[in-house]
Amino acid sequence: GQQLNQSPQSMFIQEGEDVSMNCTSSSIFNTWLWYKQEPGEGPVLLIALYKAGELTSNGRLTAQFGITRKDSFLNISASIPSDVGIYFCAGLANAGGTSYGKLTFGQGTILTVHP
Amino acid sequence: NAGVTQTPKFQVLKTGQSMTLQCAQDMNHNSMYWYRQDPGMGLRLIYYSASEGTTDKGEVPNGYNVSRLNKREFSLRLESAAPSQTSVYFCASRTGHGGSQPQHFGDGTRLSIL
Repeated sequence: GQQLNQSPQSMFIQEGEDVSMNCTSSSIFNTWLWYKQEPGEGPVLLIALYKAGELTSNGRLTAQFGITRKDSFLNISASIPSDVGIYFCAGLANAGGTSYGKLTFGQGTILTVHP
Repeated sequence: NAGVTQTPKFQVLKTGQSMTLQCAQDMNHNSMYWYRQDPGMGLRLIYYSASEGTTDKGEVPNGYNVSRLNKREFSLRLESAAPSQTSVYFCASRTGHGGSQPQHFGDGTRLSIL
């Protein structure tokens, strides 16, 4: 089946630093999503990307949908302690009726921010 | 503002016991999903229900069954629990049959099989 390779697996950074993580795939996705999961909770949607080349921001977060449709990245600027959590990329292969919204997830990036 | 509600939040079972995990959404979503999350492996789809009355296998369906009881509720059953099913289980829902609408997740059920 389809697989997403997410990197890095973990990051330890100082408050105020910028963060970058990415996902790559061997196959094409028509939608890329970025979720954040905090301890004891389910994933929460951060950013959704629907078109190749699209660059979207949500506060200090910026994500891009790669031109090849096989990759996406997420940047967090000026990190703060509450950015701590696990970040997941997810891809939707077919935006049409046959996909039924099934997502493929990356393995996650564990982010730790030191004050 | 409940969204997706999962019960129970925690459960410990013995090998061979059966268990049903409950999920309900109040957003009038058509599609619902069950995932398991294991360290270093992201979320893997167990079963999904594209609409009321339909269910289909995902990536890792073995050892599980599901029931789409009505539009709101989608349950996951372990008939004979095994230690390999120790995991965190997430239910999710989304609005449409197709399209690109994202999924919304519950807070998970943490299940340990001894």
